[in-house]
Amino acid sequence: GAGVSQSPSNKVTEKGKDVELRCDPISGHTALYWYRQRLGQGLEFLIYFQGNSAPDKSGLPSDRFSAERTGESVSTLTIQRTQQEDSAVYLCASSEYRNNQPQHFGDGTRLSIL
Amino acid sequence: DQQVKQNSPSLSVQEGRISILNCDYTNSMFDYFLWYKKYPAEGPTFLISISSIKDKNEDGRFTVFLNKSAKHLSLHIVPSQPGDSAVYFCAASAGGTSYGKLTFGQGTILTVHP
Repeated sequence: GAGVSQSPSNKVTEKGKDVELRCDPISGHTALYWYRQRLGQGLEFLIYFQGNSAPDKSGLPSDRFSAERTGESVSTLTIQRTQQEDSAVYLCASSEYRNNQPQHFGDGTRLSIL
Repeated sequence: DQQVKQNSPSLSVQEGRISILNCDYTNSMFDYFLWYKKYPAEGPTFLISISSIKDKNEDGRFTVFLNKSAKHLSLHIVPSQPGDSAVYFCAASAGGTSYGKLTFGQGTILTVHP
């Protein structure tokens, strides 16, 4: 079956521009997560959606970052006025919303800010 | 404050031998632990998990051990194969309001030599 799909796979943009990253979760997965991985570091939690509940935004690093999710499908992560420190791989994951279910990841979007 | 630590940045093992990857955590609220494998330019792939009510979980060549008193978990791969060469991340989550949010270690690069 189809896994988590992310687009674009690579994005290069100038500092100060806005970018939008897209995630298509596994069908039937009600929970969706965004993480960031900077070079040489582990994954860093950003935001978490579950069904119609209010998202957990506790990991978003600044108000330049926002995310939306349409129902239980596609999610977009938007970064406004990008800075060089935003350069990273942005990873999306989805899971079933039951106790102790593993998260399944997409291949990420590699974002480079010039 | 790093709540999940993988103190060995790299590990080199001969094919057929055992690989042991270690992970320490500090947050006593963590109750679900996972190991992921990551190849370059791909998203993390789920390997195996364990909940805090167990101390061991096996899946084929992979076994995870959890020592709650020491706040330590380890992943054993037996026998190791060249295809196991990748970056391995341990991750942990807590229940309650932190449900679903994974905290990752920095990763350990495993190299299995033929």
